[in-house]
Amino acid sequence: QKEVEQNSGPLSVPEGAIASLNCTYSDRGSQSFFWYRQYSGKSPELIMSIYSNGDKEDGRFTAQLNKASQYVSLLIRDSQPSDSATYLCAVNRGGGATNKLIFGTGTLLAVQP
Amino acid sequence: NAGVMQNPRHLVRRRGQEARLRCSPMKGHSHVYWYRQLPEEGLKFMVYLQKENIIDESGMPKERFSAEFPKEGPSILRIQQVVRGDSAAYFCASSREYEQYFGPGTRLTVT
Repeated sequence: QKEVEQNSGPLSVPEGAIASLNCTYSDRGSQSFFWYRQYSGKSPELIMSIYSNGDKEDGRFTAQLNKASQYVSLLIRDSQPSDSATYLCAVNRGGGATNKLIFGTGTLLAVQP
Repeated sequence: NAGVMQNPRHLVRRRGQEARLRCSPMKGHSHVYWYRQLPEEGLKFMVYLQKENIIDESGMPKERFSAEFPKEGPSILRIQQVVRGDSAAYFCASSREYEQYFGPGTRLTVT
């Protein structure tokens, strides 16, 4: 079992629709959760961080965390063609001294104009 | 530009040469991380450093790879005697606490 799992996609949605991206993780002790966006050939860009159960909204983005189910999701409202990218879920196990992030392999999102 | 800086952006080395990758963290950030992204693979953690200290090197290959973050100057990721399998994008990230911000990366090609 991978530590952080994502559906590789591609996830295709029409412009203006809601894109829903999902991620599960295996370590129940994980404490911090992040979503990054990565355009082809570029570096990851931090979109959202979430630390406690529930929803966190920032503009068109909403992150959802359910620690009991070990599940994190990212919703993108009013999807735009410029949102087409690979979305990476990352988990910080926390505890001890390390801040290392464990990444999923990413979900490719394609927003169709 | 107050972002994470990496140089060089592209580096070509022949097998057996040394590669040195440099990273300057964002202003006010004291935590530096190195990650590697192989073609068609995910980002993999390599090492986590603070000034003059290696905090976690659990992702570093045991041989040929080393990292440092001196009191003055950038963090350095050093790869000795490079092999073709080292060809990848190497990203540096920095943080104040938990949120890590990535630099543009160094694309290493070993010929």
